[in-house]
Amino acid sequence: DAGVTQSPTHLIKTRGQQVTLRCSPKSGHDTVSWYQQALGQGPQFIFQYYEEEERQRGNFPDRFSGHQFPNYSSELNVNALLLGDSALYLCASSLRDRGEKLFFGSGTQLSVL
Amino acid sequence: QKEVEQDPGPLSVPEGAIVSLNCTYSNSAFQYFMWYRQYSRKGPELLMYTYSSGNKEDGRFTAQVDKSSKYISLFIRDSQPSDSATYLCATSERQRQLTFGSGTQLTVLP
Repeated sequence: DAGVTQSPTHLIKTRGQQVTLRCSPKSGHDTVSWYQQALGQGPQFIFQYYEEEERQRGNFPDRFSGHQFPNYSSELNVNALLLGDSALYLCASSLRDRGEKLFFGSGTQLSVL
Repeated sequence: QKEVEQDPGPLSVPEGAIVSLNCTYSNSAFQYFMWYRQYSRKGPELLMYTYSSGNKEDGRFTAQVDKSSKYISLFIRDSQPSDSATYLCATSERQRQLTFGSGTQLTVLP
């Protein structure tokens, strides 16, 4: 049973560029959430997708956007990258009615130079 | 003030010791309490899950929640070097996003 898979594992970008991160949820899961984890900090909630719509959003600017596809996979897009966007981006999947039980992928390490 | 505060550590203990990890939270609406373990360069892994107050035991791990004092604990008995990781507490309301502590880095020395 494949768990949550994320791609790419590492990414280096420069300020002002745009980036797209991808996630495939655990088999049977229909809800995808994205978290940002800065070095030495706990993950911070970005947003959650269910039925191809953004259902909840954390305190992140509009530069952060996402999408969920009919097969439940998801993308996170970040525009106009800032140095402060450097972090580990984690995708987590769950069942809609068990949203407190998240299964995380290994993350994408984004470095903005 | 952060919604979830966690002792940052780092914490270093000898193999076989009992480890106590703690968090406090401020939002009375939190109902679900989780502990995640995160190894270096990996995503967090759900370790323990508790609904409301009380204790939950799973092998060498025991999670405690005291909603009256807004205090969450994780105890690890007979700690092993393989337990060396960062431990994250997390809380949530029903159907809401998780709020994490900043994590405690634990090292168990052989």
